[in-house]
Amino acid sequence: GAGVSQSPSNKVTEKGKDVELRCDPISGHTALYWYRQSLGQGLEFLIYFQGNSAPDKSGLPSDRFSAERTGGSVSTLTIQRTQQEDSAVYLCASSFYGSTSYNEQFFGPGTRLTVL
Amino acid sequence: AQTVTQSQPEMSVQEAETVTLSCTYDTSESDYYLFWYKQPPSRQMILVIRQEAYKQQNATENRFSVNFQKAAKSFSLKISDSQLGDAAMYFCAYRSRVSGYALNFGKGTSLLVTP
Repeated sequence: GAGVSQSPSNKVTEKGKDVELRCDPISGHTALYWYRQSLGQGLEFLIYFQGNSAPDKSGLPSDRFSAERTGGSVSTLTIQRTQQEDSAVYLCASSFYGSTSYNEQFFGPGTRLTVL
Repeated sequence: AQTVTQSQPEMSVQEAETVTLSCTYDTSESDYYLFWYKQPPSRQMILVIRQEAYKQQNATENRFSVNFQKAAKSFSLKISDSQLGDAAMYFCAYRSRVSGYALNFGKGTSLLVTP
């Protein structure tokens, strides 16, 4: 009965380095979402997965950002050549399915990324 | 694109009192969902209440209720009998029923509850 988990909880990196953020959705949830929360801002949608495919990548801010999902479960968000403006909390959510009918998105605790 | 506006960056309420958080949104769609999420310092977003646009009746969940005014595109959250544990950031969010999967969030309102 575990919820959505994310690792690491906090990540400090140097400008220019690559980072990987991990999300473990709730078991059985086929849809997975990544959001970014910058300081003082609301959540900004990044990408949506249905199973292993990503029908909506419209929110990825640049080609330095990529994400994958394997086995219909774990997802990894990768940021290459990190910049200071990438500093934010990255939140992952999952839902039972991602159709346009209602289904609740359950959020993880997020990863706080700090780029020095 | 739909935009969600929360015009109150911070609000304060005394324990046991009632507070109302405001939210307005802009959309050309007629079928959608609206949500209020709570984010405590733990960062985990918790769904407080949701409203389906086709339903005229305002949603309620225990001490939480909404005032949904579809024509005015307004969706306010009322918290009755406020408790210390209600202190958190509150986010209003919109989701299209037809074309979207993503939640569009406002910038949030920080609620302080004083004893």
